[in-house]
Amino acid sequence: RKEVEQDPGPFNVPEGATVAFNCTYSNSASQSFFWYRQDCRKEPKLLMSVYSSGNEDGRFTAQLNRASQYISLLIRDSKLSDSATYLCVVNPNDYKLSFGAGTTVTVRA
Amino acid sequence: GAVVSQHPSWVICKSGTSVKIECRSLDFQATTMFWYRQFPKQSLMLMATSNEGSKATYEQGVEKDKFLINHASLTLSTLTVTSAHPEDSSFYICSARGLGQGVVETNEKLFFGSGTQLSVL
Repeated sequence: RKEVEQDPGPFNVPEGATVAFNCTYSNSASQSFFWYRQDCRKEPKLLMSVYSSGNEDGRFTAQLNRASQYISLLIRDSKLSDSATYLCVVNPNDYKLSFGAGTTVTVRA
Repeated sequence: GAVVSQHPSWVICKSGTSVKIECRSLDFQATTMFWYRQFPKQSLMLMATSNEGSKATYEQGVEKDKFLINHASLTLSTLTVTSAHPEDSSFYICSARGLGQGVVETNEKLFFGSGTQLSVL
């Protein structure tokens, strides 16, 4: 079983729509969780950390469910510029990050 | 913010040649450098972790004699793909952790290079 699993998508949505997707992780001892954004053949860029109480950053909302071992990302009022691959990243120990394969989102005009 | 410069960004080479990829931390001292590989539509897979001045720690299944890592200074780490073959074609990317960065800060501010797309013919 992979340490981090994501629905690869793609999620094709019109501008202004809401899109949400999850990621599951296998290591119950994981302490830190993140969403990164990656554009094609570019480096990943931190979108947001995910906190136990859930957190919001503008149009982006992240939630953590430790009992079911998943995290989610919701994007409201999608923009064309939100088109990217979103990587779920989990920190199972103090230095090594585990990356999901990514969920591709395409926002169309 | 901190910057990690990775070169080259794109390499096309013949099978059997060696390719060197450099990662430099431009405004901080990178005590630890991570090297990842990413195949199309797959996740970043950690290949190895290198600490300045010591031998790299390779992940299971990664051949240390094929992927040579040198981290001789606090600002430079190199990955050399020796005798590259078409199956080594991939996106290679480094990330750096700096001196004094704690766990939470490190993971929230993991500094990535811009990546190198290697194509072996």
